[in-house]
Amino acid sequence: SQTIHQWPATLVQPVGSPLSLECTVEGTSNPNLYWYRQAAGRGLQLLFYSVGIGQISSEVPQNLSASRPQDRQFILSSKKLLLSDSGFYLCAWSRITGPLFNYGYTFGSGTRLTVV
Amino acid sequence: KNEVEQSPQNLTAQEGEFITINCSYSVGISALHWLQQHPGGGIVSLFMLSSGKKKHGRLIATINIQEKHSSLHITASHPRDSAVYICACIRGAQKLVFGQGTRLTINP
Repeated sequence: SQTIHQWPATLVQPVGSPLSLECTVEGTSNPNLYWYRQAAGRGLQLLFYSVGIGQISSEVPQNLSASRPQDRQFILSSKKLLLSDSGFYLCAWSRITGPLFNYGYTFGSGTRLTVV
Repeated sequence: KNEVEQSPQNLTAQEGEFITINCSYSVGISALHWLQQHPGGGIVSLFMLSSGKKKHGRLIATINIQEKHSSLHITASHPRDSAVYICACIRGAQKLVFGQGTRLTINP
């Protein structure tokens, strides 16, 4: 079965420090991968998505970057965190395996990042 | 105006009541998700639907593509149904555009 692992679960980082969040998927190949963020009191927003190794699309301008060094690994990074980077970060994967009703969309457990 | 609007934003009800959460969207979509987010933040997909109606236990989801509207219903609500319910529209490359969420509290 397909599983998605995301870590760490919580993180407190000082302003100006670097960030690396990792997400890995098991049990599938060539998934679409996504990073979403939920800022305090706001809805979820797509940050990055990837349809293959090395292919990254950014949805909103920001202080973050993403990389996909392997088929089932998606990394969210920052060189210098800002206070506004605080939020709940979710990794997700999707794959259409056939007709649309076989579509799968699974979320990781999330990382709660607090920048202090 | 958000591309995906949910109502109500907050809903408090007594155990056993019939619950309806509405979602309207202004974008072209291939399908729509209803998601459940618990206090810890974890998100679970309840339904994905592109037409008609789906039922799972006490949960029912409907969608009207022409009217760009979907509803999530909970029958015989229970305190364990308390969570944030999120409507999310599926766009190209299966990207999701989210509503703001509806915080549901079911009192015993």
